[in-house]
Amino acid sequence: QVQLVESGGGLVKPGGSLRLSCAASGFTFSDYYMSWIRQAPGKGLEWVSYLSYSSSYIKYADSVKGRFTISRDNAKNSLYLQMDSLRAEDTAVYYCTRLVNGYYFDYWGQGTLVTVSS
Amino acid sequence: EIVMTQSPATLSVSPGERATLSCRASQSVSSSLAWYQQKPGQAPRLLIYGASTRATGIPARFSGSGSGTEFTLTISSLQPEDFAVYYCQQYNNWPPITFGQGTRLEIK
Repeated sequence: QVQLVESGGGLVKPGGSLRLSCAASGFTFSDYYMSWIRQAPGKGLEWVSYLSYSSSYIKYADSVKGRFTISRDNAKNSLYLQMDSLRAEDTAVYYCTRLVNGYYFDYWGQGTLVTVSS
Repeated sequence: EIVMTQSPATLSVSPGERATLSCRASQSVSSSLAWYQQKPGQAPRLLIYGASTRATGIPARFSGSGSGTEFTLTISSLQPEDFAVYYCQQYNNWPPITFGQGTRLEIK
């Protein structure tokens, strides 16, 4: 069965960096677009970034552009999110998700909490 | 950016009754709309895509309708496990991918 398992969350000070990882299994990872979506405490869902099968097509939400970098390693079935210059407003649960045809999200990980606070 | 607006913010319905949730897009998204269910402490789950196609394993009591700018998620006979937050998401015109703010379905 499809599994997405995030790791790397934690507490970081404003201006700091963090790298999230997502280990995928149960499907051919290189056949799918992948994405990160976040959810601030008690709030709704916010799309963060996605990338295509071979990383040739990458997009970011305006709120993270220039600070976050998405990447993948198809040999390791892994997705990453490098988060730099973190702000308090980046505090959220970050979900690794699989995109179907690059359109909607059919599988979600359990999420990893990132807290940005001094 | 296409803005998705869900109504109502909170819906109180008794078990066994029908629930109707609405989602409106700020411009046409054709039928490029998905619905998700999120229970407390859990990740969202895909319910509907293409405005009306149920995802794998989703019970028939969940149905989606609409096109253009007006969409509806209907749960025909509410079960205890259906009380959750529901989000719509458009994928016709992106980036950015945009979600509605959610409708909380609570037990009356």
